[in-house]
Amino acid sequence: DQQVKQNSPSLSVQEGRISILNCDYTNSMFDYFLWYKKYPAEGPTFLISISSIKDKNEDGRFTVFLNKSAKHLSLHIVPSQPGDSAVYFCAARLNAGGTSYGKLTFGQGTILTVHP
Amino acid sequence: DVKVTQSSRYLVKRTGEKVFLECVQDMDHENMFWYRQDPGLGLRLIYFSYDVKMKEKGDIPEGYSVSREKKERFSLILESASTNQTSMYLCASKRSGGHGGYTFGSGTRLTVV
Repeated sequence: DQQVKQNSPSLSVQEGRISILNCDYTNSMFDYFLWYKKYPAEGPTFLISISSIKDKNEDGRFTVFLNKSAKHLSLHIVPSQPGDSAVYFCAARLNAGGTSYGKLTFGQGTILTVHP
Repeated sequence: DVKVTQSSRYLVKRTGEKVFLECVQDMDHENMFWYRQDPGLGLRLIYFSYDVKMKEKGDIPEGYSVSREKKERFSLILESASTNQTSMYLCASKRSGGHGGYTFGSGTRLTVV
């Protein structure tokens, strides 16, 4: 029962163009969403997040959009750079009234390749 | 300035061995987590701990146990390693409360032969 799904295993884009990574979730009790980036042989690093009460959050080249009615979020990277090539994971936090201890449910990941 | 340290980057163990994976964080975080990462499955939570000597099962705890005797250290134990436990293991920590994300270690690539 995958509550957070990234249906595209990979994405290839040209340098300078927009990269759009998608994520769907099923549990309406998720209250916070995060994106992580992972290079080979390294741990994931936090990229950007969004609260369920917002629909957009922007940080430099990275923007996350949340569509609660569709239970869908997306990460936009503009412009894409070769150094953005990595695995991107979306993650969701369950609002369990303080008993969830901040544990996250992750998607399967999308491999982004940005070509020069 | 490494903040979450996993003691081994690569490990090769034999089937049936007892395996210890160690994780240390220096940020005084209350919450610590063990995940495994497998292709096509993403990161799956094995166990987490919200305080010293406290632990909770994650989504896939079978075949694993954990120990947290000190706040900064969280150990994952494979009681009797099996080939289906070959994976990348990631430790993470997080301060209680707030919306902060995890800080991950660099991971341990475990191969069970």
